[in-house]
Amino acid sequence: EVQLVESGGGLVQPGRSLRLSCATSGFIFDDYAMHWVRQAPGKGLEWVSGISWNSGIIVYADSVKGRFTISRDSAKNSLYLQMNSLRPDDTALYYCAKDMQYSKGAFDVWGQGTMVTVSS
Amino acid sequence: AIWMTQSPSSLSASTGDRVTITCRASQGISNYLAWYQQKPGKAPKLLIYAASTLQSGVPSNFSGSGSGTDFTLTISCLQSEDFATYYCQQYYDYPRTFGQGTKVEIK
Repeated sequence: EVQLVESGGGLVQPGRSLRLSCATSGFIFDDYAMHWVRQAPGKGLEWVSGISWNSGIIVYADSVKGRFTISRDSAKNSLYLQMNSLRPDDTALYYCAKDMQYSKGAFDVWGQGTMVTVSS
Repeated sequence: AIWMTQSPSSLSASTGDRVTITCRASQGISNYLAWYQQKPGKAPKLLIYAASTLQSGVPSNFSGSGSGTDFTLTISCLQSEDFATYYCQQYYDYPRTFGQGTKVEIK
């Protein structure tokens, strides 16, 4: 069974940092691009960042560019999101999502999400 | 960025109804269009990709059509478990963008 399990969320003060993790299983991690998508409370879906199968393509939404860093570790079959200089408008449920392809596909598997709350 | 506009933003329908949701892209995206269903407290679920290809395990009362800039999700016979919010998404280019969502409610 394909599974994505996010962790690392929590309550953090503005300006501080947080690192999210997404542990994967049930598929060949190295064959697929991966993404982070967030959803603010009561709002719609916002794509945050994506990384291709070999980390050759890394892209960010303008809203997080320069503050967030996506990475992946093949040895641990895991995806990460380092979030720095957090702002209150980063408050959201953060989902890890698997791409259907190595770089350009729909998102066929999603984790359950990890909540990030940025507040003083 | 490519903007995705869904309509309507919400609708009320009864079980057995035929429901149509439209999604318009701000520029041509060929058929790089996906539809997702999200229920309260749950992660989104992929329903359709490549504009019209049904994801494995998705009931056949869901269908998608369109190409270029205009797309449609149709639920041919609404079931109780279909009441949810639906999102379109383009994956033609970065940044990947979603429509604002269409909430399908019980009439």
